[in-house]
Order: sequence, then structure tokens, then C-alpha cells
Amino acid sequence: EVQLVESGGGLVQPGGSLRLSCAASGFTFSSYNMKWVRQAPGRGLEWVSSINSGGGTIYYADSVKGRFTLSRDNAKNSLYLQMNSLRDDDTAVYYCARVYISGSNAMDVWGQGTTVTVSS
Amino acid sequence: QSVLTQPPSVSAAPGQKVTISCSGSSSNIGNNYVSWYQHLPGTAPKLLIYENNKRPSGIPDRFSGSKSGTSATLGITGLQTGDEADYYCGTWDSSLKGVVFGGGTKLTVL
Repeated sequence: EVQLVESGGGLVQPGGSLRLSCAASGFTFSSYNMKWVRQAPGRGLEWVSSINSGGGTIYYADSVKGRFTLSRDNAKNSLYLQMNSLRDDDTAVYYCARVYISGSNAMDVWGQGTTVTVSS
Repeated sequence: QSVLTQPPSVSAAPGQKVTISCSGSSSNIGNNYVSWYQHLPGTAPKLLIYENNKRPSGIPDRFSGSKSGTSATLGITGLQTGDEADYYCGTWDSSLKGVVFGGGTKLTVL
């Protein structure tokens, strides 16, 4: 079964750090571009970051640039999002997603999400 | 304020048809593929349409997509109560160098 499972969310104080992980199974992880998307309480979907299949091309939303770092380990079928200098407005459910076809940016497989709460 | 503009809500009766619009600009919809997602609270979003008008395997043909210029439309026919959800359009923005989403449209099946 094709699956993505996020972990690493939790409660953190403003200014703190968290590392999210996304474990992939059921498909050739190293062949796919991947993304993180978040949804803050009462808000819509917001793209966070993208990485290509080889890990050499990474993009970030302006709202997280300089604070978040996206990486992947194809040998471990895993995607990581290192989040530093967290702010209240980073509170959200974070989803990792697989890009269906390179160039389309359509995301066909999503995890169930991990919740990040930034609060003092 | 989302880069792509969707109506906040739409509604229709069971069995009827509804369309959801998504308006953007030349830097996003005008020159890139549009995708549509269905999102039920507490669940993972589901891809309904990719590359403007293609359906992934398993998505019924009640769902359709189209694009014209800098706007895109999702159509849903034969509405069912199970279709009640939030619907989002998304695409790449060549100027922002990132994915942009619409603000989401809440579908109510009366």
C-alpha cells in the first residue's frame, strides 16, 4: 500500500525547534518529488516547501524561508522538515505529500498530518 | 489573502451540478497546470484533478476540470451528501517560485 506517515509534531514554545519526519512506503520514494503543506486552524491549505527527487532542488514559502530546512534520505525512504525559530503562526497541521507527475505539481498521496502547536 | 481566488462557499441539492471557480494570473494559472483537491476536516486532502482536466485513477467522472486563460473551474455532477467538503485549487506560481492554493470553497449539499 502506498503510504506516507508523518511524525514529530508537538507543543513547542515560540522560538523553539522541531523536526518533522515523513516515512514513505509502497512506492519508489527516490523517484518522486515531495512537498510539505500545512493548514493552520480555521485557514486553508498553505504550501511550505518542495524538494525534487534527488534532493538537489528545494523551494520554500517566503513565510518559512531562513527558518525551515527541507531534506530527504532516499536510502531511508524519508523526508524531513527542520523547523527553527518557530512562531505562533506556524501552528498548523503539517502534511507531507508526493508529487504525482514531475512538472504538474499535483499531489496524489498525502499523509494524515502531524500537528504542530507553537505556544507559551 | 490567497493568490488564487475561490468563492468561500457554494451549495446545491443532491443530484444537481455545481461549479467552483478559481481565478489567478499569468504567473500561475495562465502558464501552469491546475490541480483540484477535496479536503474533509481531519483527513488527508484528496487529489481530484491534475493537469487542468485529468482525473487520477479511482476518481469518478462526476468530477471534471477545465481551464481558460487565467481561470480554472471544477465541476461536480450528480451531487451526493458525501461530496460535502472543502475544495481547493492549486498551481505553481512562476514569479513566487512556489505552489499557490486558493482559499478553499466549502461545498454544502442541501
